[in-house]
Amino acid sequence: QKEVEQNSGPLSVPEGAIASLNCTYSDRGSQSFFWYRQYSGKSPELIMFIYSNGDKEDGRFTAQLNKASQYVSLLIRDSQPSDSATYLCAVNRGGADGLTFGKGTHLIIQP
Amino acid sequence: DTEVTQTPKHLVMGMTNKKSLKCEQHMGHRAMYWYKQKAKKPPELMFVYSYEKLSINESVPSRFSPECPNSSLLNLHLHALQPEDSALYLCASSQDQGWGTEAFFGQGTRLTVV
Repeated sequence: QKEVEQNSGPLSVPEGAIASLNCTYSDRGSQSFFWYRQYSGKSPELIMFIYSNGDKEDGRFTAQLNKASQYVSLLIRDSQPSDSATYLCAVNRGGADGLTFGKGTHLIIQP
Repeated sequence: DTEVTQTPKHLVMGMTNKKSLKCEQHMGHRAMYWYKQKAKKPPELMFVYSYEKLSINESVPSRFSPECPNSSLLNLHLHALQPEDSALYLCASSQDQGWGTEAFFGQGTRLTVV
C-alpha cells in the first residue's frame, strides 16, 4: 500500500518568512518526488520535482529529499500572500506509474 | 509549452446521459492520465495510458470508459453516472520512461451529476 503523509494544516506563516512543508512516504520503491500547488477550485500546478537525495533550489523554492528517512520537504523563502494555497506532495516509482498524492497542506501567508 | 487542454470546463449531466470529456497535449508525452478529485481531497488516479495502451485501471467502475485515439488525445466516456461521481476530473501527461516523469495537469472538468 503506497501512502504519502502530510500535515493538513492550516500552516500559518507571516509574509516574508520561510514556510516549511513536510511529507513522508511509505513505498521504498518510490523514485520521483513532486510538489504541486493547488489554488481553490483550480488544478494542481507543478512547482518542484526532485529525484536524488539532497537539496534542489529553484528561485524561492527548495526541495529536500532524504530517501533513507523517506522524507521530502519544501521550503518557500520570502513567503508572499500569493503563496497561500494547498501544497500537494506526490510520489511515483518512475515511468508511467501515476502519482500517489498526500492529502495536502493548506498554507496561509499572513500579510 | 507545458499545456494540457481539457474540454469542457464545466459539465452538468443527468444520470441517464452519455457524455465525454476530452484532453489534448502537444508536448510529445507518451503517458496520459485521468484523475478524479473530490472537494478537499487529493487527486486519485483512475487510468493510465502508456503509448496509447491502457496500462493502469485503478478498479474504476465501468460507467467510466477511457479511450486514447492517438498520442495527443485522451477521452473519458461517461454513462449512467451517479451523483457521487460529481467531482473535478483532471487529465495529465508526462514522459513515459526515464527520470523526466513530471506530470502536467490540465485545468480540469468540473462535473456535476444530477
